[in-house]
Amino acid sequence: DAKTTQPPSMDCAEGRAANLPCNHSTISGNEYVYWYRQIHSQGPQYIIHGLKNNETNEMASLIITEDRKSSTLILPHATLRDTAVYYCIVINNNNDMRFGAGTRLTVKP
Amino acid sequence: DAGVIQSPRHEVTEMGQEVTLRCKPISGHNSLFWYRQTMMRGLELLIYFNNNVPIDDSGMPEDRFSAKMPNASFSTLKIQPSEPRDSAVYFCASSGGDAGLSYNEQFFGPGTRLTVL
Repeated sequence: DAKTTQPPSMDCAEGRAANLPCNHSTISGNEYVYWYRQIHSQGPQYIIHGLKNNETNEMASLIITEDRKSSTLILPHATLRDTAVYYCIVINNNNDMRFGAGTRLTVKP
Repeated sequence: DAGVIQSPRHEVTEMGQEVTLRCKPISGHNSLFWYRQTMMRGLELLIYFNNNVPIDDSGMPEDRFSAKMPNASFSTLKIQPSEPRDSAVYFCASSGGDAGLSYNEQFFGPGTRLTVL
């Protein structure tokens, strides 16, 4: 599976949009981009995933560049409860997910 | 559904003792995963099962670790003998996707915090 690169940490003001980048320059055609987050002391939680098209659900939006080498997770109106570590994972059709270090997002009042 | 259930939530044991961690996946899910999380190494996949069959155990650190899934509703991760460096949070996750499908939403349990003294 393709490796991903994320910034180790980011801050965001409460109520503002949080934009979390992820580079996956070695992604192959059949690999999906998945985002999970882990709030302190809890198990990771699925957020969203995509292949080529941008995706949106009740939690977030996922913007994937046309060449698929990078993506951005957008939390449109960040709240204090969105403070967590966010993981970007690239995976093909198997179930073998490998978590990297992720981005520690801190939402500040 | 109650989600993925793990027991115990906390375990403190002494070096050399056997430790058994338990997991009940979400009903109807056919894939089950065991992960270990430490500050130093982050979240690591240890092993995963599909339809109760181990598919990939390359993440299991050594022979002291073993995992079983005797049926679709139960799995165990056993460490024998345990060592202080096994101290970590162990997560179990399940998903409804078979290998070959694109949907890999895994549902994680609350984890078992293991401390080996």
